[in-house]
Order: sequence, then structure tokens, then C-alpha cells
Amino acid sequence: AQSVSQHNHHVILSEAASLELGCNYSYGGTVNLFWYVQYPGQHLQLLLKYFSGDPLVKGIKGFEAEFIKSKFSFNLRKPSVQWSDTAEYFCAVSTYSSASKIIFGSGTRLSIRP
Amino acid sequence: DVKVTQSSRYLVKRTGEKVFLECVQDMDHENMFWYRQDPGLGLRLIYFSYDVKMKEKGDIPEGYSVSREKKERFSLILESASTNQTSMYLCASHNTGTGDYEQYFGPGTRLTVT
Repeated sequence: AQSVSQHNHHVILSEAASLELGCNYSYGGTVNLFWYVQYPGQHLQLLLKYFSGDPLVKGIKGFEAEFIKSKFSFNLRKPSVQWSDTAEYFCAVSTYSSASKIIFGSGTRLSIRP
Repeated sequence: DVKVTQSSRYLVKRTGEKVFLECVQDMDHENMFWYRQDPGLGLRLIYFSYDVKMKEKGDIPEGYSVSREKKERFSLILESASTNQTSMYLCASHNTGTGDYEQYFGPGTRLTVT
């Protein structure tokens, strides 16, 4: 069965620091990849997604993620974080054979010190 | 904008009560989903529906049932609530027709069972 691993459960950074959140999945076939974000008190929303093409995907608010097929990874990056990036981040994957079902990782809580 | 609404933001029920959580989406999406979100566990799929009156079990269906009588509405039912069902419940929907597998989420219902 597919699974998604997010190894960082809680990350604490200062403003202007660079961010990289790890995400690895287990599935040998073609995948769709997502990062969702949940700001405090708000609903889950899509940050970015990868279906095909350029493995470097740019999302909203300056976030980007790189799909590295050989490493089964889809890490999220931002060069300079802001206090408003404080949120919980979820990596997720779906497969072509079961595209409607998305498997979510356990989430990474990001806290930014002002 | 896609809108997914859930009937309650907060709900407190007693053990043994029958609980209904309602979800409505306004974008004519075929697929609808119910997840529960628990700290450290991410989102886990309870049930999903790919058409009216059609449903499939997700990863943790025990203790839950669902109903989809109309395309826009998907209900989650706890037949006899238990304390281990205290959680945040999220509804989502997406449209398979466009090939865009992004799921759109509601604000969530925080259910406490006492």
C-alpha cells in the first residue's frame, strides 16, 4: 500500500531563514504529488501540486517543491520564511490507478519566530 | 471559487448518541470524501463517494457510515458515538472530469464525545 512519510514533525525557524520540509512516498508507479497547508483556524488548502512535466513546481506564497523520482521524494522549500508561514504542512500522493484517493502524510508543524 | 461547507464547526455529543455530520459542495463535483484529522496522524480517509448512492470504505471506516442521496451532499454518520471518535472531521470534494485531482476542503467539524 502507498504511504507518505514526513520526517519532521515540528520545525522551528526564525524569520528570513530558509525552509526545507522533507516528504518521501512509497509507490513504484506514476504518482501525483501535493503539498497542502493549514493555517491556524483555517481550512486545508493546496499549496502546490505536481502531475507531470518540470519536476520543479512553484506554488503560492513563494513556495516550491522538487520531485526527485529516484529518491521518491517531493520536498517543499522556501528561501526566506515569514511569520505568516506558521502553519501545518501536509504532503500527499495519489496514483494513476487510484487518482481519486489521496494519501496524506502525518504533517509538519512549522513555527516561525518573529 | 469552490465552496465546501460543513454543518457545524464545533459539536459536543455524549457516548452512545447518533451523530450526523453534513457536508455540501457547490461545484457539481462527483467525488466527495470524509477524513478525520488527529495530531501526529495527519488525515485518514474514512469513506468516499464517487457518485450518488455510491460509497467506498477508506482506511478507517469502522464505527462510521455515510449517505449520499444528492450529488452535492455527503453525510457522515456515527451510529453510536464513542470517546475515541473525538476528532476533527474534514470533508473534501473534487472533480475527476478535468483531470485535476486537487481536493477542496471544508472548514472542519471538531467533534468532542464525552
